[in-house]
Amino acid sequence: TQLLEQSPQFLSIQEGENLTVYCNSSSVFSSLQWYRQEPGEGPVLLVTVVTGGEVKKLKRLTFQFGDARKDSSLHITAAQPGDTGLYLCAGLNSGGSNYKLTFGKGTLLTVNP
Amino acid sequence: DTAVSQTPKYLVTQMGNDKSIKCEQNLGHDTMYWYKQDSKKFLKIMFSYNNKELIINETVPNRFSPKSPDKAHLNLHINSLELGDSAVYFCASSQVSGGADEQYFGPGTRLTVT
Repeated sequence: TQLLEQSPQFLSIQEGENLTVYCNSSSVFSSLQWYRQEPGEGPVLLVTVVTGGEVKKLKRLTFQFGDARKDSSLHITAAQPGDTGLYLCAGLNSGGSNYKLTFGKGTLLTVNP
Repeated sequence: DTAVSQTPKYLVTQMGNDKSIKCEQNLGHDTMYWYKQDSKKFLKIMFSYNNKELIINETVPNRFSPKSPDKAHLNLHINSLELGDSAVYFCASSQVSGGADEQYFGPGTRLTVT
């Protein structure tokens, strides 16, 4: 069973602060996705990282895939209240024809104005 | 237009009852999924269908029976509901199965079993 550990589980910060969320596993994933989920809604994809060491930027969000494709991080610069939500990482299993996403348990981020 | 829709949004029922949740996607995707999100927000896949065929069944009790009448619909029927079935159930779809494809999630169905 492939497991993804996310940390921290909860994070409450003030507007303008920076933060990093981590997603770690002992398993190798062929790719990793980050989703954001707002209350009462389904998760929405933010980014997919595929290559070990890959860095992708989405405005103030920076995503990195570890060199060994076992871990990832999400860094938010100058957080805003609109960034509040549940951030989920999800790893794509590395083999087989019927792939599935394994989700981490999420980081609940609250950005206070 | 809603890409992935689910009905109902909320479902409150008693133990032992049978209930269904419906899902429809208008994205033309080939693959659809059911996920369960527990009270701690842990999201776990239950089933995956590709072109109406079951391809993933994640050790879900056989009280749960998915049905896909066509590739745009994936319904979930639950027999003999138990307290532990209380959760938010999400339907999702993606273009293909077997790649790093974006999954589009529905708004969820909050099931409460009393």
